[in-house]
Amino acid sequence: DVKVTQSSRYLVKRTGEKVFLECVQDMDHENMFWYRQDPGLGLRLIYFSYDVKMKEKGDIPEGYSVSREKKERFSLILESASTNQTSMYLCASSNGYEAFFGQGTRLTVV
Amino acid sequence: QKEVEQNSGPLSVPEGAIASLNCTYSDRGSQSFFWYRQYSGKSPELIMSIYSNGDKEDGRFTAQLNKASQYVSLLIRDSQPSDSATYLCAPYTGRRALTFGSGTRLQVQP
Repeated sequence: DVKVTQSSRYLVKRTGEKVFLECVQDMDHENMFWYRQDPGLGLRLIYFSYDVKMKEKGDIPEGYSVSREKKERFSLILESASTNQTSMYLCASSNGYEAFFGQGTRLTVV
Repeated sequence: QKEVEQNSGPLSVPEGAIASLNCTYSDRGSQSFFWYRQYSGKSPELIMSIYSNGDKEDGRFTAQLNKASQYVSLLIRDSQPSDSATYLCAPYTGRRALTFGSGTRLQVQP
C-alpha cells in the first residue's frame, strides 16, 4: 500500500511565523502535490513537483513556497503565516495518474 | 465554466437504495477519471478509476463514463450508513495534477 505521511495532524501558529509542513511518501513516486481544502472551495492545488528540485506553481501559490531535496520528501513553506491561510493542507503523491493522499494537516493561524 | 462540476448535495438516500453521483468535466482531452471518498475531517481516499467509455464495477460501486457527453457517474448499490461521506470526482487532464470537483455530500439514512 502507498503510504503518504504528513508530519503533523494539527498545528497552531501565530501570524507572521514561518511554517513548515512536511510530507514523506514511500512508493518512489515522481510526482508530489500540496493542496489546501476549504469549505465551499474544494481542493485547490498550491504547488506540485515532478522531480527532485523541480517545482511548478499550481492555482494558488501566493504566500507559499516548496522544497524537494529528496524524492520521497516534499515540504510546503508558509513564508509569513496569515489568518487567511488557516485551512486543511493535504499532501499527495502520484505515479502519473491517480493520487494518494496523506492524512492532512489542519493548520490554524491566530 | 468550472473544469469539474458536481452537485454539492446533500444527496439523501435510504439505507439499501442506490445512490447516484454525477460529474461533468470541461476538458475533452481528459482520459482517466477517478472517484475519491472523503469522510468528514479525513483525507480523500481513492475508491474507483475508469479509463474507457462504459461501466466498471467493483463490489457495490459502479463507475460510468461517457466521454462524448463529458460525463462520469458513480453508482453505489445497497447504500449503507457507512457510505455517508463526500465523493470527489477527479479527471486526469494531463496537467500532471488532478483537478477535483467540489464534491457531493451523500447521506444514507438508516
